[in-house]
Amino acid sequence: AQTVTQSQPEMSVQEAETVTLSCTYDTSENNYYLFWYKQPPSRQMILVIRQEAYKQQNATENRFSVNFQKAAKSFSLKISDSQLGDTAMYFCAFMKHHRGGSNYKLTFGKGTLLTVNP
Amino acid sequence: DGGITQSPKYLFRKEGQNVTLSCEQNLNHDAMYWYRQDPGQGLRLIYYSQIVNDFQKGDIAEGYSVSREKKESFPLTVTSAQKNPTAFYLCASKGGSSSYEQYFGPGTRLTVT
Repeated sequence: AQTVTQSQPEMSVQEAETVTLSCTYDTSENNYYLFWYKQPPSRQMILVIRQEAYKQQNATENRFSVNFQKAAKSFSLKISDSQLGDTAMYFCAFMKHHRGGSNYKLTFGKGTLLTVNP
Repeated sequence: DGGITQSPKYLFRKEGQNVTLSCEQNLNHDAMYWYRQDPGQGLRLIYYSQIVNDFQKGDIAEGYSVSREKKESFPLTVTSAQKNPTAFYLCASKGGSSSYEQYFGPGTRLTVT
């Protein structure tokens, strides 16, 4: 079974600064996907960024980027130029790569509450 | 607009009553999922369905039931057998086998007293 660990229950950052959220995972799979989801106070889950394990290049989406270290099973999220709207709970999630119909189950970490201070 | 709707946003029930949470999607997605979220916890999978008239138990299915009679709809019933039903419930859907992203609804907060 896969497990996802987020070791930072809470973090804070000043507006316009950079912050990095940590995530480690445990799996025996070689092909999989990793995700960061954001859950703001509205509680709507929003996909921030995804990474395919077979890709060596780290994914980036505007101010969001990841540091994917496959051997270390580490998948951290870097938020640059933090904005007040980035205040949210951030969840790291894992999904096995499947061929054909299968469940595409997401396994989530417990989340990191990020507060951006003005 | 395409998306996933869950209703109602807040739901209150008395202990011992069954309650059904609604989830509808117009994204033409094949797969649908129900997750439960508790304070300080990540999301945990309750049930999932890959096609109409088929569904499988997730990690915490005890005390819950589902049906998938239509592609667009995947209602979740929280039965009186569920020991701790008060939680935030999220529904998600996913497109075909070439897609691996799950899209989430706005959630339903269920409070049982």
